[in-house]
Amino acid sequence: DSGVTQTPKHLITATGQRVTLRCSPRSGDLSVYWYQQSLDQGLQFLIQYYNGEERAKGNILERFSAQQFPDLHSELNLSSLELGDSALYFCASSGGRSGAQFFGPGTRLTVL
Amino acid sequence: GNSVTQMEGPVTLSEEAFLTINCTYTATGYPSLFWYVQYPGEGLQLLLKATKADDKGSNKGFEATYRKETTSFHLEKGSVQVSDSAVYFCALSPMNRDDKIIFGKGTRLHILP
Repeated sequence: DSGVTQTPKHLITATGQRVTLRCSPRSGDLSVYWYQQSLDQGLQFLIQYYNGEERAKGNILERFSAQQFPDLHSELNLSSLELGDSALYFCASSGGRSGAQFFGPGTRLTVL
Repeated sequence: GNSVTQMEGPVTLSEEAFLTINCTYTATGYPSLFWYVQYPGEGLQLLLKATKADDKGSNKGFEATYRKETTSFHLEKGSVQVSDSAVYFCALSPMNRDDKIIFGKGTRLHILP
């Protein structure tokens, strides 16, 4: 168990809808990262937050947004969903000197 | 810029065979290096790490040595098991911890009984 929790585990929705994925980092970690993993297994970095502020952006679509709250949990909002958004979404947190990230179990999103 | 290159899979081996998954990197200074493992249906788990040159990370029978001179961090295991079947990711964390961690594309490993 990495100490990072994500909800929900599975999400099935329709095109055009909006969903919110939630992540709670390991106790004491200030950084939260979001990744998308498609069927071809590659990890795409979406966005990073550090202590409530956006720190880095990757390949995140304009239809997607995220935030980190004062209690350090984070939410990833996906709107106007398309079939191609079906994927695994992982949250990770870090806080140690080595820069290692610890991953949650992921949310599997299916858009029908 | 920073980058990680790892051997493409899938890699298929018989049980008890010797495993090597190659990983090389490009980075300035002395990044930290990691191997992550992803079992089917699960998230990535940190398998091992090394934070300075010549460090050897080890866990669950896997080893990798931080080789600055060859900019490599190859993953090895002397005798693989069916339960080692998974996807393995090499990654680096730059010296500037403000920079995001860089992951390789992953190598799928199949172990045959």
